[in-house]
Amino acid sequence: EAGVTQSPTHLIKTRGQQATLRCSPISGHTSVYWYQQALGLGLQFLLWYDEGEERNRGNFPPRFSGRQFPNYSSELNVNALELEDSALYLCASRSGGFYGYTFGSGTRLTVV
Amino acid sequence: ELKVEQNPLFLSMQEGKNYTIYCNYSTTSDRLYWYRQDPGKSLESLFVLLSNGAVKQEGRLMASLDTKARLSTLHITAAVHDLSATYFCAVSWASGTYKYIFGTGTRLKVLA
Repeated sequence: EAGVTQSPTHLIKTRGQQATLRCSPISGHTSVYWYQQALGLGLQFLLWYDEGEERNRGNFPPRFSGRQFPNYSSELNVNALELEDSALYLCASRSGGFYGYTFGSGTRLTVV
Repeated sequence: ELKVEQNPLFLSMQEGKNYTIYCNYSTTSDRLYWYRQDPGKSLESLFVLLSNGAVKQEGRLMASLDTKARLSTLHITAAVHDLSATYFCAVSWASGTYKYIFGTGTRLKVLA
């Protein structure tokens, strides 16, 4: 069974640009979660998508957005990039029951 | 506001020694998780603790949960260099968003 896959692995952008990160959940998992791990700030919940809808978001500005596609894959878009957006972005998926997520390998976003 | 605190934040220990990492959380929770993260890598699931008094062991690691004290421990027995990593606890609930609130992390370095 394939795990949660994220792309790209690394992404370098200039301040003010937009970044798009992608996530494919485990087959059969309908929920996708996004977390940000920024240096010194720990792991913070960003967004939750389920059945194509945004269900909950963490304490992040609206320039962090995303969507979930009919095949349950997801995109995270970060607009008007700021230097402090540099972080490891982790995607996770879960099945309908809840015994925890499976995390992807992450996308390292660097804003210069 | 729910807080999850781990201590210590940094731990340097000799091979062969025992030590315990503590995870305190500020409100009731249905589930507690332990993850391992190697530098620049994603999160690897170690344990899922679902009920008061739960104890799980895998190799040199043993996790326990006391829901009344809102405390989980990760005990390391006879540490080896390969256990060097950052360890995170996280709490969640079996309803609602299912989002995780992560602890601050404990960076463990095992010295040969």
